[in-house]
Amino acid sequence: NAGVMQNPRHLVRRRGQEARLRCSPMKGHSHVYWYRQLPEEGLKFMVYLQKENIIDESGMPKERFSAEFPKEGPSILRIQQVVRGDSAAYFCASSTEGYNSPLHFGNGTRLTVT
Amino acid sequence: KQEVTQIPAALSVPEGENLVLNCSFTDSAIYNLQWFRQDPGKGLTSLLLIQSSQREQTSGRLNASLDKSSGRSTLYIAASQPGDSATYLCAVRETGANNLFFGTGTRLTVIP
Repeated sequence: NAGVMQNPRHLVRRRGQEARLRCSPMKGHSHVYWYRQLPEEGLKFMVYLQKENIIDESGMPKERFSAEFPKEGPSILRIQQVVRGDSAAYFCASSTEGYNSPLHFGNGTRLTVT
Repeated sequence: KQEVTQIPAALSVPEGENLVLNCSFTDSAIYNLQWFRQDPGKGLTSLLLIQSSQREQTSGRLNASLDKSSGRSTLYIAASQPGDSATYLCAVRETGANNLFFGTGTRLTVIP
């Protein structure tokens, strides 16, 4: 009964490169959320997806960031042309459905932009 | 805009002591509140979820209370152990919202 799986655990990118972060939700979970944790700050919501649909992307920067959750395979958070300010821990969470369901988080991907 | 505050930012207690962590939120129109623990370099582990209609939830040595009208929640940890050392986060979900608003956490150290 695996939990939320994120990979890679650590990712180093040079400025201008692309970063791809992957998240496989818990078995039976169809709702995926991405959060970002900047150093010494709380977690901030980025995007909420269900299979093949972006439900709420109000927390995601308008440029360079995109997310998807295809019918098959993991959810992907993609950051194009990374900058130093993108360095953070990116957490994925999943839930079964609805507002009553607790969120279960993965161990995160720590992105470092050099 | 919802703001979640956790006080204190850090807390050290000797092993065996009972302790209370505090969480306050500015907008009482919440759907539920969830407490998590985060270990260094790790993800978040869900501890307790309290629905807005509930007053408290218990799991083992943990008890979380919710006073929605005053915008407060507490996490009570009984008989603390060194393994309880972690950062404790509270998060609220507003009614009709898709996301959680997180506090910045309380870093707990239990000294053997």
